[in-house]
This record gives sequence, C-alpha cells and structure tokens, in this order.
Amino acid sequence: EAGVAQSPRYKIIEKRQSVAFWCNPISGHATLYWYQQILGQGPKLLIQFQNNGVVDDSQLPKDRFSAERLKGVDSTLKIQPAKLEDSAVYLCASSWNRDTKFFGQGTRLTVV
Amino acid sequence: AQSVTQLDSHVSVSEGTPVLLRCNYSSSYSPSLFWYVQHPNKGLQLLLKYTSAATLVKGINGFEAEFKKSETSFHLTKPSAHMSDAAEYFCVVSEGGGSQGNLIFGKGTKLSVKP
Repeated sequence: EAGVAQSPRYKIIEKRQSVAFWCNPISGHATLYWYQQILGQGPKLLIQFQNNGVVDDSQLPKDRFSAERLKGVDSTLKIQPAKLEDSAVYLCASSWNRDTKFFGQGTRLTVV
Repeated sequence: AQSVTQLDSHVSVSEGTPVLLRCNYSSSYSPSLFWYVQHPNKGLQLLLKYTSAATLVKGINGFEAEFKKSETSFHLTKPSAHMSDAAEYFCVVSEGGGSQGNLIFGKGTKLSVKP
C-alpha cells in the first residue's frame, strides 16, 4: 500500500515570498491533516479535512495560510507571504476513519 | 484540555541495554494515548496506542508502554536497545478522549544508542 506522498521535500524561499505544498493521501482515506512541526517541538495541527470539507482550522493563521482539498483527494497548503517564523517541517497525514493517522515524510521549509 | 509532557528531551543508552522514555499526560477524559517514532528524513510512524483496553500495550519493534492512571503516566520501554532505535519519539494524546480526535504531541525525546 502506497503511503502519504508529499512534495517538495525541501524548499528555501525568501521572506514575503509565497510557497505551496502538495499532499496525496493514502487511497480511500477520507480525512486529511496538515501539521506544522517547528524545530525542537512536536507537530501541531493546522487544518483537518473530511473529504473536501474543513473540519477544524482553528490553529491555521488565516491571514497568510490557506489550504484546499477540492476533489476530496489531493490537498495543497499555501503560505503567502511567508515569514521567518514559518520555517518548519509541514507534515501531511491521512486516516480512513479518523483513527490511526498515517504521516508523510514532510516538506522542510526554510524562510531566509 | 489534554496535554502530554515528555520528561526527557534526550536519552542516551548503550546497545543491548533497556530503554525508558517517560511521558506524563493530562486529560479530562479517559485518554487515548500513542507513541510515534520519527527517524531522520522519514515520516512519523505509529509505535503503539492505548485506547482503554489492556493497560500494557505492545507495539512494533519490541516496544511496549504501560498506562498507569494513578500516576498519569504512559512510559515507553524496550528491554534491549538496537542501533536502529535511534530516533525521535513522541508521546501523543488524542483530543476529546476518543482515538479519533486531533493529536496533541509532546515535544519529543531524542534517543541515542551507543555501540
């Protein structure tokens, strides 16, 4: 069974630029999550989708972050404009029934 | 609100010796608790989970954890460390008490294994 796929693996951008991350969940998983993992900390949930609807985006900084999952499968997370403090690993996870979550390898973002 | 505290940011053991990674939780509900492992440049992998069944939970790669309600602890152990166990380990509680809630991660414990 293929795992959660994320791209790119690494991204370096200057502050105030924009960036987008892509996630392809495990086939058949209705629930998709984006987490932010700042160096030295555990991951923190940014947004949760159930199919193509948002379940929880209470921790998403909506002035600069946006995410979509238009067809209920792939998802993109965008940051515009980026700040230095956005440097982190962005993890995508998916689950079939909101129980066991499967994580991708993440995208490591460095904002300079 | 649920939270977890990992008591050690870094643990170093010798190969073949026991591993103990400590975690305390805080929860208003009967919690669902997990341990995840993160190897460098790899995704988070579920080691084991507790969801109010047996208090001693066995996971993959010889790891196990014991849920102790009286001590609000969920420590991770392994009898004999292997070099491949070197990684970062996260204690996690599920928000809302059930296993389907949002995951709240601890800050992580980095495990080093010396030859």
